[in-house]
Amino acid sequence: GNSVTQMEGPVTLSEEAFLTINCTYTATGYPSLFWYVQYPGEGLQLLLKATKADDKGSNKGFEATYRKETTSFHLEKGSVQVSDSAVYFCALTPRDDKIIFGKGTRLHILP
Amino acid sequence: ETGVTQSPTHLIKTRGQQVTLRCSSQSGHNTVSWYQQALGQGPQFIFQYYREEENGRGNFPPRFSGLQFPNYSSELNVNALELDDSALYLCASSLQGVDTEAFFGQGTRLTVV
Repeated sequence: GNSVTQMEGPVTLSEEAFLTINCTYTATGYPSLFWYVQYPGEGLQLLLKATKADDKGSNKGFEATYRKETTSFHLEKGSVQVSDSAVYFCALTPRDDKIIFGKGTRLHILP
Repeated sequence: ETGVTQSPTHLIKTRGQQVTLRCSSQSGHNTVSWYQQALGQGPQFIFQYYREEENGRGNFPPRFSGLQFPNYSSELNVNALELDDSALYLCASSLQGVDTEAFFGQGTRLTVV
């Protein structure tokens, strides 16, 4: 079946540190891959996406590359800010508009 | 362009009661999906509605049911509430097709006591 596994949190970093949140997936066919972010008290927002192998999604300094050979979609940012503190969800859609989410990784950035 | 709005924002119900949650989809969108997000977990797909018909369902019992109206707004109904139904319920609207983005509402926080 289809599933997403992401690193457990919480992840605590100092401002300007480098961020990596690991995500691997299991899927039949060729899913689209996403990172969503949930800020405190808010709904989910799409952060970035990639629709085929070797695509790189990027937004707000965050990047993730669709790696079919390792079935991974790790989220990276070179220099995090306090305002990046949130819960990050890796997700996939197996081409039928239904989104399968990982459990989420809570990120704390210390000033 | 209006976003996805859900009502109410918070709700407290007693075990065994019934609840109806509402979602107004984003302008131009014809598909609504509902998700349940338990505390500390990722959202779980409940079901999806497209053109007023159910278009896929996750692993949820029949006491979870829904409707979609001609204006593409939607309702989620849960009967015989259980304590484990306490969660954040998220609605997402999209335009049916491959690789279209889903836009989420802020959710309804349901507490069952």
